[in-house]
Amino acid sequence: DAGVTQSPTHLIKTRGQQVTLRCSPKSGHDTVSWYQQALGQGPQFIFQYYEEEERQRGNFPDRFSGHQFPNYSSELNVNALLLGDSALYLCASSLQGAIYYGYTFGSGTRLTVV
Amino acid sequence: DAKTTQPPSMDCAEGRAANLPCNHSTISGNEYVYWYRQIHSQGPQYIIHGLKNNETNEMASLIITEDRKSSTLILPHATLRDTAVYYCIVRPLTGNQFYFGTGTSLTVIP
Repeated sequence: DAGVTQSPTHLIKTRGQQVTLRCSPKSGHDTVSWYQQALGQGPQFIFQYYEEEERQRGNFPDRFSGHQFPNYSSELNVNALLLGDSALYLCASSLQGAIYYGYTFGSGTRLTVV
Repeated sequence: DAKTTQPPSMDCAEGRAANLPCNHSTISGNEYVYWYRQIHSQGPQYIIHGLKNNETNEMASLIITEDRKSSTLILPHATLRDTAVYYCIVRPLTGNQFYFGTGTSLTVIP
C-alpha cells in the first residue's frame, strides 16, 4: 500500500522564479495538507485541501497557492520565490471525518532558493 | 501557535527506556495529544495519540496526567533507530491542522 508520494525530492530555483510541488495521497485518503519546515524548526501549516477546495489556511502569503485534483492528488505553487522560501515542504494526507487517526506524511520536497 | 513545551534535547542509553516529557498546560477538554517523530528530515511518522487515558501500541506508551496538563511518551527499549526529533502536538478533535513546536531531539547512545 503506497503511502504519500511527493515529487520532486529535491529542487533548486532562483529567486523570483515560480515552483510547483506535487503530492499523491495515501490510498483511501481524500484530504491533503501542506507544511513548510525550515531548517531546525517544526513543520508549519500552509493549507489544507478537501473536495478540490482550500478549507483552511495558515499564516502564509498569497504567493503560496494550491490545487487538488479529482483523484485527490495536490499541487503546491509558490510564486516570486524568496531566499526564505528555502525549506522542506511536506505533504500530509488524511481521511476527512477520520482525522482522529492523524495524518500520514510524505518524505517531502527539499526546495533551495538561490 | 504551538501549545506544547518540550525539552530541546535528551540522551538515552540503548536498551533503556526513553521517557520524553511534554507540557500542555493550556489543553482544553476536547483536545487530543499526538506524538510524531521525524528521522533526519524524512516526513514525520505517527507514533501514538490519546485524550485522557493512558495508551499503548507496538511502538510506545503514552502517559497523560490526570489533569491532562502534561504527558510522557515512553519508548520501552530504545534502539539506535529511535534517534529522531519527537514532536508532541495538541489538536482539537474538530481542527484540521497540527501545531508543531520545535520538538525534542532524542539521541540513543550505544
